[in-house]
Amino acid sequence: AQSVTQLDSQVPVFEEAPVELRCNYSSSVSVYLFWYVQYPNQGLQLLLKYLSGSTLVKGINGFEAEFNKSQTSFHLRKPSVHISDTAEYFCAVANTGGFKTIFGAGTRLFVKA
Amino acid sequence: DTAVSQTPKYLVTQMGNDKSIKCEQNLGHDTMYWYKQDSKKFLKIMFSYNNKELIINETVPNRFSPKSPDKAHLNLHINSLELGDSAVYFCASSQDWASMATEAFFGQGTRLTVV
Repeated sequence: AQSVTQLDSQVPVFEEAPVELRCNYSSSVSVYLFWYVQYPNQGLQLLLKYLSGSTLVKGINGFEAEFNKSQTSFHLRKPSVHISDTAEYFCAVANTGGFKTIFGAGTRLFVKA
Repeated sequence: DTAVSQTPKYLVTQMGNDKSIKCEQNLGHDTMYWYKQDSKKFLKIMFSYNNKELIINETVPNRFSPKSPDKAHLNLHINSLELGDSAVYFCASSQDWASMATEAFFGQGTRLTVV
């Protein structure tokens, strides 16, 4: 069975500052990893995903994440955030056999002017 | 065109009532899901259907009954609503059951409030 831990429930940051949202996972099998974003009163939208290959994955809106197998981490980063990045961010993991994606508890990114 | 659409967006109802939430996807996907998001934003899968067949049924009270009349629709019916059922319910779809591991498309959610 897989599990996902998002280490920060809230991350406040000033506009144009860099940000890192942390995610650790556990699994006994190979996994796929994802970051989804949820803007207020909306559904989840895929930001980026790691399936295989390069461990540095680039997504939409200037976000990127790095898969670190030895540390079982998949942290999300952005070098300069905007007010519009304020949202809930979910890390998720699925085993490579499919069926079910497990979501973390979410990290609320709050960008201040 | 909305890819995954849910109705209603908001639902306020009294305890003990029966209600349904509808979901439709126009992506041609084979697999659809219902997720429940509680007040702490924790998102948990409830059901998954692949081509109208139930493939995931998590530990959910049997008051919740999904129905898939065709692969583009997955409705959720809830009997005898309880206060603890208050949550946001998300419908999602993926190309097939294996592709849930590659990308899911979510609806905008239905905020259910039981009073």
